[in-house]
Amino acid sequence: QVQLVESGGGVVQPGGSLRLSCAASGFTFTTYGMHWVRQTPGKGLEWVAIISYDGSHKYYSDSVRGRFTISRDTSKNTLYLQMNSLRTEDTALYYCTKDPRVGRPSGNYATYYFDYWGQGTLVTVSA
Amino acid sequence: DIVLTQSPATLSLSPGERATLSCRASQSVSSYLAWYQQKPGQAPRLLIYDVSSRASGIPARFSGSGSGTDFTLTISSLEAEDFAVYYCQQRSNWPPTFGPGTKVDIK
Repeated sequence: QVQLVESGGGVVQPGGSLRLSCAASGFTFTTYGMHWVRQTPGKGLEWVAIISYDGSHKYYSDSVRGRFTISRDTSKNTLYLQMNSLRTEDTALYYCTKDPRVGRPSGNYATYYFDYWGQGTLVTVSA
Repeated sequence: DIVLTQSPATLSLSPGERATLSCRASQSVSSYLAWYQQKPGQAPRLLIYDVSSRASGIPARFSGSGSGTDFTLTISSLEAEDFAVYYCQQRSNWPPTFGPGTKVDIK
């Protein structure tokens, strides 16, 4: 069965950095786009970033563009989120999620729905 | 960004009753709307996509309807495991956005 296991969360000061990881199993990792989605009590669920099945396309929400970088390592079946210049408003539970669409070279590589979710990793940005 | 509004914020019902949850979009999202269920301490789970298609393993008591800006999630007969928070999400316009959620609790 599909499993997504996040790690790397923790407490960091404003301006600091953190790298989140998501170990994927139970499906062909190289075939699907992957997303990061975060959740806070105040702002609810917020989409953060996507990487296409082959890593050729990456897109970010306006709130993190230029500070966060999404990547994937197919040899390790692992998704990453490098978070730099962290702000207090980045405090959230970060979920790794899978897109249901099989990626193809012709494009149209993602639905932007989220059919499997990890359990989340908590990031706290505080002085 | 497209803003999704969900109503009511809380729905108090008894097991066996029918639940009707509403999601309204600030502009048309065509048929690109999904519903998720989240229980305490768990990640959201995809229930419905493209307005009315049930995700894998989702029971038939969950159904979705609507188009354009007004959508409904119906649970035909509530079971104990259905008491949770439900979110709608659109993918019509970038970026994808979520509604604030409707909590279905036990009356």
